[in-house]
Amino acid sequence: DQQVKQNSPSLSVQEGRISILNCDYTNSMFDYFLWYKKYPAEGPTFLISISSIKDKNEDGRFTVFLNKSAKHLSLHIVPSQPGDSAVYFCAASAGNNNDMRFGAGTRLTVKP
Amino acid sequence: DAGVTQSPTHLIKTRGQQVTLRCSPKSGHDTVSWYQQALGQGPQFIFQYYEEEERQRGNFPDRFSGHQFPNYSSELNVNALLLGDSALYLCASSHRDTTNYGYTFGSGTRLTVV
Repeated sequence: DQQVKQNSPSLSVQEGRISILNCDYTNSMFDYFLWYKKYPAEGPTFLISISSIKDKNEDGRFTVFLNKSAKHLSLHIVPSQPGDSAVYFCAASAGNNNDMRFGAGTRLTVKP
Repeated sequence: DAGVTQSPTHLIKTRGQQVTLRCSPKSGHDTVSWYQQALGQGPQFIFQYYEEEERQRGNFPDRFSGHQFPNYSSELNVNALLLGDSALYLCASSHRDTTNYGYTFGSGTRLTVV
């Protein structure tokens, strides 16, 4: 039961341009949404999050947008850098410190 | 400050065998969650331990069991291994008072069942 879906397995962008990664969810009980970044041979690392009471959260080059009515969130990276090349996972949970449901991930490649 | 430590990093087991994976949480963390990441998929929640008890459990069979020790370290045990159990097993630690934002993941144990 895929409650969190990332429909794009890969994305390639040019350095300096915007990267937009998308995520859809089906469970209306989810109220915390997170993005994790994963490099090969490393565990996922927390990148940015948003709670359902907001529709936007920004942290430097990273911005997450939440559209609750569409059950959709997106991660914008501006400007994209080669070091951003990694697999990005979208995750969601119902309440704090509850089990997170992850999407399948999107592999981002930023070309110099 | 040591992060989450998992051991071993890789191992190969035969169908039907049993395996134990270990996790030491980040200093100051008291909660441990285990995830299974199959190839090409996102991590799937197995269970979470706090105060030496299983607090939450995902949709995994009873062949998957765990334990948490008084020093907050944890073990994941899988009995009667199946080929489909081949995956990367991730441990994540957190503090009970923090939100999911505070999860720290280890680098994982790559289990191959042959």
